Amino acid sequence: EDQVTQSPEALRLQEGESSSLNCSYTVSGLRGLFWYRQDPGKGPEFLFTLYSAGEEKEKERLKATLTKKESFLHITAPKPEDSATYLCAVQTTQGGSEKLVFGKGTKLTVNP
Amino acid sequence: EAGVAQSPRYKIIEKRQSVAFWCNPISGHATLYWYQQILGQGPKLLIQFQNNGVVDDSQLPKDRFSAERLKGVDSTLKIQPAKLEDSAVYLCASSWDRNSPLHFGNGTRLTVT
Repeated sequence: EDQVTQSPEALRLQEGESSSLNCSYTVSGLRGLFWYRQDPGKGPEFLFTLYSAGEEKEKERLKATLTKKESFLHITAPKPEDSATYLCAVQTTQGGSEKLVFGKGTKLTVNP
Repeated sequence: EAGVAQSPRYKIIEKRQSVAFWCNPISGHATLYWYQQILGQGPKLLIQFQNNGVVDDSQLPKDRFSAERLKGVDSTLKIQPAKLEDSAVYLCASSWDRNSPLHFGNGTRLTVT
């Protein structure tokens, strides 16, 4: 069974304190890995797609990397507005159809 | 571009009642998804449409849930009868195709009492 595990479940940082979120996966056939940001009361907002091991994507203070077993979301010098839940999702192929499987997310709080 | 529109934003019903949610995807997006997100969990796919047709409904509880996408645009998700465990946020998402990133609406928060 396809599984996506995110850690930690929750993370508190001080403004400017860099850190990383982890997404490990066990899937039968990885087509792509997606990172989303979700604010309270809102739907997930797309951040990045990664397709192959070694690939990296950057956007402002965020950088996503991918290996064969896991992905990291690095947050450099975070600001309070980066506080949100970060969701990882893997796209797999099952029975001829594409499926997106989400992890439970990491809730990030950045204190000023 | 306008985002994915969902209504209502909130709904409170008693168990065994019925409820319907509506979704209008981004114009031109062929693929539409309904996800269920229970508090503290990641979204779980209920059903996926490609234009008018169902691509994947393997995790849809078909004894009580139904969904349709008329004319390949708007979609409705219905629950009848509702159970307490159906309390969740129901998210609609759309994408250009099955390999493109999903764009989500803000969801409908359902409380079943």
